[in-house]
Amino acid sequence: GAGVSQSPSNKVTEKGKDVELRCDPISGHTALYWYRQSLGQGLEFLIYFQGNSAPDKSGLPSDRFSAERTGGSVSTLTIQRTQQEDSAVYLCASSLAAGANSPLHFGNGTRLTVT
Amino acid sequence: TQLLEQSPQFLSIQEGENLTVYCNSSSVFSSLQWYRQEPGEGPVLLVTVVTGGEVKKLKRLTFQFGDARKDSSLHITAAQPGDTGLYLCADPDNTDKLIFGTGTRLQVFP
Repeated sequence: GAGVSQSPSNKVTEKGKDVELRCDPISGHTALYWYRQSLGQGLEFLIYFQGNSAPDKSGLPSDRFSAERTGGSVSTLTIQRTQQEDSAVYLCASSLAAGANSPLHFGNGTRLTVT
Repeated sequence: TQLLEQSPQFLSIQEGENLTVYCNSSSVFSSLQWYRQEPGEGPVLLVTVVTGGEVKKLKRLTFQFGDARKDSSLHITAAQPGDTGLYLCADPDNTDKLIFGTGTRLQVFP
C-alpha cells in the first residue's frame, strides 16, 4: 500500500500560534516515531508510539510539545505557542514493530516555519 | 546517551571520484543502519550491519562495520550525481528508538 503520509507538507505560522501536524503510517505498522530536523542537520528524536501508548517521550523539547495516536494508526504532533526556534522539518516514521529488526519507513515531512 | 559523530560534515566531489564517509560512536553499537536522505524527502534505509567486521555491498556502495563495533564506514565507488544527498548512520538504543548521527552531506557534480 501507500507509504507514510504527512500533512501539511508546508506550514507557515505566526509566533505564538498553535499548530497540529498529522502522520498517517503504513497500514499494519504498530510503531510510530516523530523526529525533528533543523536545516541541514541530523535527526532529533522526539517521541515514539507502540500502538497508542508512548513508552518514550524523552525527546519532546518542552511542555509546549505533545503528541497522540488514536486507533493504533494516525498520529498528531501539536506545538502550542510556537516559537521561532520550532522552525524545522518534522518527520514521521513507522515500522512493523519497535526495535532494531524493523526498519523505519519515513514520510516526506512537514516543513514548519514560524515567523 | 549514545553519540554518533559522522565525518566529513560536507563533501563536494566530481562525478567518477571515490569517497568514504565515517560514523563513530562513543560506545559499542548494538547494530548500525545507514540511511540516505534526498532533498524534500525522508531518509531511506540502505543497509543494516550487525556483526563486527561485517562488509556489505550495495551496487557501488560498500559498508563496513568495525571489528569492535564502535565505527562504520561507507565507501562509494565512481560517484554519480544521483548519489547526492544526506547520509545518516543510526543506532537503535536499548529503548527501541533510533539515534541518528550528525550526517554527511554529499554533493556530486556532473
